[in-house]
Amino acid sequence: GQNIDQPTEMTATEGAIVQINCTYQTSGFNGLFWYQQHAGEAPTFLSYNVLDGLEEKGRFSSFLSRSKGYSYLLLKELQMKDSASYLCAVKDSNYQLIWGAGTKLIIKP
Amino acid sequence: NAGVTQTPKFRVLKTGQSMTLLCAQDMNHEYMYWYRQDPGMGLRLIHYSVGEGTTAKGEVPDGYNVSRLKKQNFLLGLESAAPSQTSVYFCASRNLDRGDTGELFFGEGSRLTVL
Repeated sequence: GQNIDQPTEMTATEGAIVQINCTYQTSGFNGLFWYQQHAGEAPTFLSYNVLDGLEEKGRFSSFLSRSKGYSYLLLKELQMKDSASYLCAVKDSNYQLIWGAGTKLIIKP
Repeated sequence: NAGVTQTPKFRVLKTGQSMTLLCAQDMNHEYMYWYRQDPGMGLRLIHYSVGEGTTAKGEVPDGYNVSRLKKQNFLLGLESAAPSQTSVYFCASRNLDRGDTGELFFGEGSRLTVL
């Protein structure tokens, strides 16, 4: 079966750095997405990785290792507005997205 | 630019009632999707469409029907609602371009409660 695993919940302090991990087992791989979803709102695109390595976008970076079936999202200089759920999704061999259940990130002052 | 718009935003139904959720996008996207989101679970694909006049089943299609009569609209219908269909429904769309990442653009969601 296809599976995406990410921690259910994480807590971090304002101004700090947090790393959210995602491991996947899918039938094929055609890219990995990270989305941010604030409570009661729609998911919004954060990043896309298809090759191994680190993609940096301002305070957010995403890393991929295809051989390990592993990705992480790194958030630096945390702000209160970063409190949200972070969804990992993998595009499989049929180009369909398989979604993780999401990681709820709580930022404390 | 409205992006992806869903109506209604909230609805309460009784078991056995029917209803239709409307999704409209103004980005000229070919692909459109209907997902449901339940606590503790990832987004699950109900149905999708790869172009006007086409539809296909996703992971959890039972109890739902869809239509894509116009490119900009994708309708999700529940013929006889059941409490198990209580959920938040998201519509999404994306480009067809080969060079595109396949980023999805989501509507704001429709919260449906079936009593």
